[in-house]
Amino acid sequence: RKEVEQDPGPFNVPEGATVAFNCTYSNSASQSFFWYRQDCRKEPKLLMSVYSSGNEDGRFTAQLNRASQYISLLIRDSKLSDSATYLCVAFEGNYQLIWGAGTKLIIKP
Amino acid sequence: SQTIHQWPATLVQPVGSPLSLECTVEGTSNPNLYWYRQAAGRGLQLLFYSVGIGQISSEVPQNLSASRPQDRQFILSSKKLLLSDSGFYLCAWADRIIYFGEGSWLTVV
Repeated sequence: RKEVEQDPGPFNVPEGATVAFNCTYSNSASQSFFWYRQDCRKEPKLLMSVYSSGNEDGRFTAQLNRASQYISLLIRDSKLSDSATYLCVAFEGNYQLIWGAGTKLIIKP
Repeated sequence: SQTIHQWPATLVQPVGSPLSLECTVEGTSNPNLYWYRQAAGRGLQLLFYSVGIGQISSEVPQNLSASRPQDRQFILSSKKLLLSDSGFYLCAWADRIIYFGEGSWLTVV
């Protein structure tokens, strides 16, 4: 069975700290990966794509490690507004999407 | 640009009543379409996906059904709702990235 696993958290992190999440995936043939952010009672929204070479967008860095079959998300200088649930997804081509269950992040002042 | 809409945003329905949630996509053709359900504090559960008009695949047994009468229209239905059908329903379409509708909150009472 194809799976993507995440630590559900919650991660309670002080404002300004750096926090990192990992997702492990079981299907080595997965083609592409993404991180999504979901606010309470809202739809998930794309945060960033994940590449083997790494992808950085401001305070956010995503990385793919195909050898160990995991993807990571690093948030530097965390803000209160970063509090949300972060979902990873493996896109297997055609139509198959394998979602993690999400990691809840709470940034405390 | 591509957009996706779903409605209604919220609804409260009695047990045994019918359900119809509608989703439409703009700015693309022949999209892969999905219906997900998300229980409170839980991950995304894939209910149905469709790769073309009239092509529906069901991922889990349930009293829900889906239809795709037009290329960019995806409908989730039930003839008789159960209490366990309560949740947050999300329509999505995927090309290289996954886009979600705004979601529909269903409470079955």
